Amino acid sequence: QKEVEQNSGPLSVPEGAIASLNCTYSDRGSQSFFWYRQYSGKSPELIMSIYSNGDKEDGRFTAQLNKASQYVSLLIRDSQPSDSATYLCAVNRGSWGKLQFGAGTQVVVTP
Amino acid sequence: SQTIHQWPATLVQPVGSPLSLECTVEGTSNPNLYWYRQAAGRGLQLLFYSVGIGQISSEVPQNLSASRPQDRQFILSSKKLLLSDSGFYLCAWSDRASNQPQHFGDGTRLSIL
Repeated sequence: QKEVEQNSGPLSVPEGAIASLNCTYSDRGSQSFFWYRQYSGKSPELIMSIYSNGDKEDGRFTAQLNKASQYVSLLIRDSQPSDSATYLCAVNRGSWGKLQFGAGTQVVVTP
Repeated sequence: SQTIHQWPATLVQPVGSPLSLECTVEGTSNPNLYWYRQAAGRGLQLLFYSVGIGQISSEVPQNLSASRPQDRQFILSSKKLLLSDSGFYLCAWSDRASNQPQHFGDGTRLSIL
């Protein structure tokens, strides 16, 4: 079974600070990596996709990928209370677009 | 743009009753379709996926079945619900091209009494 591991949290972050979330995966053949945000009681929402080593920035979010070390991370700059949610890391699994999800990291942004 | 509709939003069913949850996608053709279940405080468990009409693959043995009668319609069913079937059911779609993300519907919260 291919694994995707995340710290469950909660990760408590002061408002305005940077939240740093990590994710490790076991399948060296993985090619695509995604971060989803899930508010309590809601469905997951795609916030970042990354396919190549290095950094990818989108607004206050930066995804970082290191395939050699098999980890992907998400940075949230200038954290806001609205960023309080569970963040799911997902990695492609085999064929047909299947994804392996981590259990998620809960982020709590405190005013 | 593509949209995914899932209904109902919430459902309360007695043990032993049947189930039918429906999901439809608009704005795309030949999508891959997926059914997930998320137990309270847990991660996403892939139940079924489909790459075309009538083509269903099951990820885990269970009390549920899935069907894809039309290209953009995906149905999750059960003949007799168990208490353990409670959870948050999510339908998702992805483009046929490789390495594409999945996009989720709003989900159905199912409670079994």
